[in-house]
Amino acid sequence: DTQMTQSPSTLSASVGDRVTITCRASQSISSWLAWYQQKPGKAPKLLIYQASILEDGVPSRFSGSESATEFTLTISSLQPDDFATYYCQQYHSPQWTFGQGTKVDIK
Amino acid sequence: EVQVVESGGGLVQPGRSLRLSCAASGFTFGDYAMHWVRQVPGRGLEWVAGITWNSGTIGYADSVKGRFTISRDNAKDSLYLQMNSLRPEDMAFYFCVKDIGAHDYVFHVWGQGTLVTVSS
Repeated sequence: DTQMTQSPSTLSASVGDRVTITCRASQSISSWLAWYQQKPGKAPKLLIYQASILEDGVPSRFSGSESATEFTLTISSLQPDDFATYYCQQYHSPQWTFGQGTKVDIK
Repeated sequence: EVQVVESGGGLVQPGRSLRLSCAASGFTFGDYAMHWVRQVPGRGLEWVAGITWNSGTIGYADSVKGRFTISRDNAKDSLYLQMNSLRPEDMAFYFCVKDIGAHDYVFHVWGQGTLVTVSS
């Protein structure tokens, strides 16, 4: 199985900060990576797929990039609505695995 | 509005069975793959099972293979998860999820989740 390792596990930031979350795959997954946002008590929400394609309705301050097996989610200017937990997920090969999550909280 | 709504969760004893259902609306159900993803409260996400648009390809997480069965009824816009031989480690919120395509494995639209509690 392909293992997905996210870092950091927790990130403390302030409104307006540029935030970067990294996800590393244990093997090549091409660009088959998605990012999700989950707020407490809510279902996850798809943000980005195919490493860098923004889902409809997602603000442009979110972006995704890739370099080999390392993927990055960037929030260019953190907004109050962005405090949440973020997960990456590979869909290159079964078992369609998620990273362990990165919680973005208020500094 | 595209929507999926789960039902059927509850308290069940170890070793017993439970069947989850998911009602879809707002899209052509038969055009999309569907999945179940679970989350232990306070923990991460785990894909459980998936079924392509025509039930041609079905897959399971190793942790549930042989115990859980995913199925769909395109005429009823419904997805199901039959869970047998339940274990305490199966206790979690179970989300019904619409795929972004017929067989893409991108989890596009999520239900609100239904809680399965396995305890004696």
